Amino acid sequence: AQSVTQLDSQVPVFEEAPVELRCNYSSSVSVYLFWYVQYPNQGLQLLLKYLSGSTLVKGINGFEAEFNKSQTSFHLRKPSVHISDTAEYFCAVHQGGSEKLVFGKGTKLTVNP
Amino acid sequence: DTAVSQTPKYLVTQMGNDKSIKCEQNLGHDTMYWYKQDSKKFLKIMFSYNNKELIINETVPNRFSPKSPDKAHLNLHINSLELGDSAVYFCASSRGTDTQYFGPGTRLTVL
Repeated sequence: AQSVTQLDSQVPVFEEAPVELRCNYSSSVSVYLFWYVQYPNQGLQLLLKYLSGSTLVKGINGFEAEFNKSQTSFHLRKPSVHISDTAEYFCAVHQGGSEKLVFGKGTKLTVNP
Repeated sequence: DTAVSQTPKYLVTQMGNDKSIKCEQNLGHDTMYWYKQDSKKFLKIMFSYNNKELIINETVPNRFSPKSPDKAHLNLHINSLELGDSAVYFCASSRGTDTQYFGPGTRLTVL
């Protein structure tokens, strides 16, 4: 079965610092990869997705992620974070041919002044 | 303009009661989902409907019954509520396996 591992449950950073949130998945077949953000007391919002093509994907709010097939990773990065980026971030994988989107356990990003 | 809406936003009820949560999407999507998010923020798929047909039915107690009257609506009825049912329930919709769009969530508290 497909699984998604988000290696860090919590990531504290200072404002304007760079950040990387790590995500690894288990499948060896074709996958679609997603990063979602959940602000406090809200639903999930898509940040970016990889379906095919260029392995570097740019999303909203200055975030980007790189698909690395050999390492089965899809890490999320931002060169300079803001206080408003404080939220829970979820990596999710959709295995080709499957109807199911499998989520990681989430990484809580806290941006401190 | 709301893409995926859920009602109610908050639901507080006693153990043993029956309750329903409603979901509507105006995106023209053919697939709708129910997820449960527990207190540790872990998200798990419960059900999925495609064109009113059940396609995903995870290991969920029989007390939970989804109903899709049409492609734009997916409701969740819960019988005999238990303390462990307390969670945030999210509805989502998509066009096939593309991006899922989530509702704002329903926070269910069982006392």
